[in-house]
This record gives sequence, C-alpha cells and structure tokens, in this order.
Amino acid sequence: DTGVSQDPRHKITKRGQNVTFRCDPISEHNRLYWYRQTLGQGPEFLTYFQNEAQLEKSRLLSDRFSAERPKGSFSTLEIQRTEQGDSAMYLCASSFREATNEKLFFGSGTQLSVL
Amino acid sequence: AQKITQTQPGMFVQEKEAVTLDCTYDTSDPSYGLFWYKQPSSGEMIFLIYQGSYDQQNATEGRYSLNFQKARKSANLVISASQLGDSAMYFCAMSDQGAQKLVFGQGTRLTINP
Repeated sequence: DTGVSQDPRHKITKRGQNVTFRCDPISEHNRLYWYRQTLGQGPEFLTYFQNEAQLEKSRLLSDRFSAERPKGSFSTLEIQRTEQGDSAMYLCASSFREATNEKLFFGSGTQLSVL
Repeated sequence: AQKITQTQPGMFVQEKEAVTLDCTYDTSDPSYGLFWYKQPSSGEMIFLIYQGSYDQQNATEGRYSLNFQKARKSANLVISASQLGDSAMYFCAMSDQGAQKLVFGQGTRLTINP
C-alpha cells in the first residue's frame, strides 16, 4: 500500500493556460474524490467517481474544469483557461465503498499558482 | 445542507497537556459520520478518528478521543498528552447518509509549545 499519490506537487502557470493534474489512488479503492482547498479554509468537494463513473459534481466545478477516470484506476483533473481564482491546493482522496465508515485517504495535493 | 463549525482559529498548548478542539455540526440526516483529520505543513490530510451517528460509545484511537454529544450536535476532539509533533491544522468533517463526500470545517491551527 503506497498511499494516494498526486502529480505534480506544485504547478505554476500563467493565466489562460490549461493545466492537468494526476491522481493515483490506493489500488483496491473504488471511489476517488477531488477537493479544492484555499488558504485558511477547509477542503471543498469538487467531484467523485465510483470506478470509472463520475457520480457527482459540485456547483463549484465550472465548465472549465473536467475530470476523468478512464479505467477506474488513476484520475486526471484538467482546468482550461486558468484564472487567478483557480489558485489553490487540489487534493485527491480515495476510499473503499464497502467500508463501514468509508474513511477517505488523501494524497499530498497539487499546489496550483496562477500568475 | 450539512454544515461544520470550528470556532477556534488557533490553539496554543504546552507539551504533555491535554487539549480539546471544538466542533459543532448541523444536519437533517438521521445517519451520518463524523471525522477528524490532521493536516501538517506538508499538506497531506491524515485521518485521526471516526464516530458514527448511531454509535453508543465515544470513539477512541490511541491518544485521540472524540467527545460525541448528539443532542448538542458537537463532536469535540480530545488529544491527551500532547506532543510537539501534534502541531498542525485539525479539521472536523462529516459525511452524509450515502457517505459520498465529506463536508469540512474551517479548521483549527494547534501549536504545541515545549
């Protein structure tokens, strides 16, 4: 069990550019979540997958955001035409659906800075 | 809608003392889960403890215990014998009936002084 891994760890981009983040969950976990955390706040839910199906998207997720989990394993989160307000920590988490308390295991996040 | 409130932006405690971090919640769901996570400066969210809404006893995990008062809708985290490594942000969170996602509070920054 190597835990949830996210890549890259840091990303600096210019406004208007597209960025893509990757998340590799714990191998036997069938649920994968994306959260966004801004400075001084708790994480906010963006979207989640059960296997390859995207089951819920937050209203926070504008049309510029898209997430995929094509084979039910790793996931990507793409932000198109980035804006300065997109600067935040993007956290990925995974869980095992049948677990009693469905504890989420988080990665270390991708820190995005939009200049 | 579910809501988590953590009213303590920062706490300062002497090493080896016990500390209580406050958390209140609001939900209309009869079934829910309450979680505490620790976030050190490295950024990773580390699971500490879980309490189910139907659990009769307060949850304990090593030095961590959860003081669950359902009528008051509070789920305070108690850390006994604090250590320097406990310095971090602490987040209270709750899940809904379908356990599909967590709603987090704003967090409490805990600083342990030697």
